[in-house]
Amino acid sequence: KAGVTQTPRYLIKTRGQQVTLSCSPISGHRSVSWYQQTPGQGLQFLFEYFSETQRNKGNFPGRFSGRQFSNSRSEMNVSTLELGDSALYLCASRTQGDGYTFGSGTRLTVV
Amino acid sequence: QKEVEQNSGPLSVPEGAIASLNCTYSDRGSQSFFWYRQYSGKSPELIMFIYSNGDKEDGRFTAQLNKASQYVSLLIRDSQPSDSATYLCAVRNAGNMLTFGGGTRLMVKP
Repeated sequence: KAGVTQTPRYLIKTRGQQVTLSCSPISGHRSVSWYQQTPGQGLQFLFEYFSETQRNKGNFPGRFSGRQFSNSRSEMNVSTLELGDSALYLCASRTQGDGYTFGSGTRLTVV
Repeated sequence: QKEVEQNSGPLSVPEGAIASLNCTYSDRGSQSFFWYRQYSGKSPELIMFIYSNGDKEDGRFTAQLNKASQYVSLLIRDSQPSDSATYLCAVRNAGNMLTFGGGTRLMVKP
């Protein structure tokens, strides 16, 4: 079956701009989580969605937001980009009793 | 204090040997435990997960969990050069979020 699909794979944005990243989970998976990975901080949890509802949120500023659609696809948005937002953004989906499967990620560079 | 701790390594083992990777966690309410492998420039790949105390085997991999000691480990038997990667330990709490350790870099030398 198809894995977790993230688009775009690479993105370059300027400080102050906003960006939207997309994630299509594995078919049948209703839980979608987002993570940020940086060399300094490692992998950090951003938020989790289940059936269009945000169930959990990590310790990130309000500039980071997300949503989930009825087909379980999810988007995350970062507004007013800062240089420190440069990172690999990873989406993971899971179903009950299973592990979390990650997509290939979106590498965001803020210049 | 980081909630999930791993030795950053590198851990160097010869080809064919057993690699032992360790992880400790602080949250006693943690419910399930995951091991991921991440190659440079790639996303984490799930190796296996474990919920109950004891051992769980999958091919060359064995995960071991000791909730009393708050300790989880991954053994890789017959290590291959292709196993050279960073291994990430992750812990899921009641809030359904994964907390990751910093990862252990494994190098398998031919």
